[in-house]
Amino acid sequence: GQQLNQSPQSMFIQEGEDVSMNCTSSSIFNTWLWYKQDPGEGPVLLIALYKAGELTSNGRLTAQFGITRKDSFLNISASIPSDVGIYFCAGQGVPSTSGTYKYIFGTGTRLKVLA
Amino acid sequence: EAGVTQSPTHLIKTRGQQATLRCSPISGHTSVYWYQQALGLGLQFLLWYDEGEERNRGNFPPRFSGRQFPNYSSELNVNALELEDSALYLCASSFGWGSPNSPLHFGNGTRLTVT
Repeated sequence: GQQLNQSPQSMFIQEGEDVSMNCTSSSIFNTWLWYKQDPGEGPVLLIALYKAGELTSNGRLTAQFGITRKDSFLNISASIPSDVGIYFCAGQGVPSTSGTYKYIFGTGTRLKVLA
Repeated sequence: EAGVTQSPTHLIKTRGQQATLRCSPISGHTSVYWYQQALGLGLQFLLWYDEGEERNRGNFPPRFSGRQFPNYSSELNVNALELEDSALYLCASSFGWGSPNSPLHFGNGTRLTVT
């Protein structure tokens, strides 16, 4: 089945530093999504990418949909303490023979920001 | 606009019992997805409903089942609970399967504890 490899698994960074994380797959995806999850809450959508090569920003966040459609990265600039949490990538796979779509999630990157 | 709502927030059951979890999607969304998130781990796809029908199912035993009602709300039922079913169960909604560029929006989950 389709799988997403997300790295790094965890990061400890100093406040003010830039952060980079990525997801890769052996399969092609039609859509890449990036989410952040705070403790005890559901994931919140940060950025959605729909076209290969697309580069999208949301404040201090920037994400890109890889040209090969098999990878995506998320960058956070000038990190602040509230950036702490778990970041998930998700890919919407190529439709199955029934025409249905399914989202696959990466294993998450745990970010801790040291003040 | 109200987001995805899930109830109950917490649920404690004993092994062998049945659990029922409920989800109301964002208004206008017809697709509902269920994910299981064990403590400290990633999101595992459980079920996807759209327009009242089950569209896709993850690699879970048949004792995990659900349904979608005419108002697009959904119920997840877990029969014969086992200790390893303890997890955060997340519901997400999106526009229907004919709308591929529709990201998932999550609720805050139901924390199920099986003792």
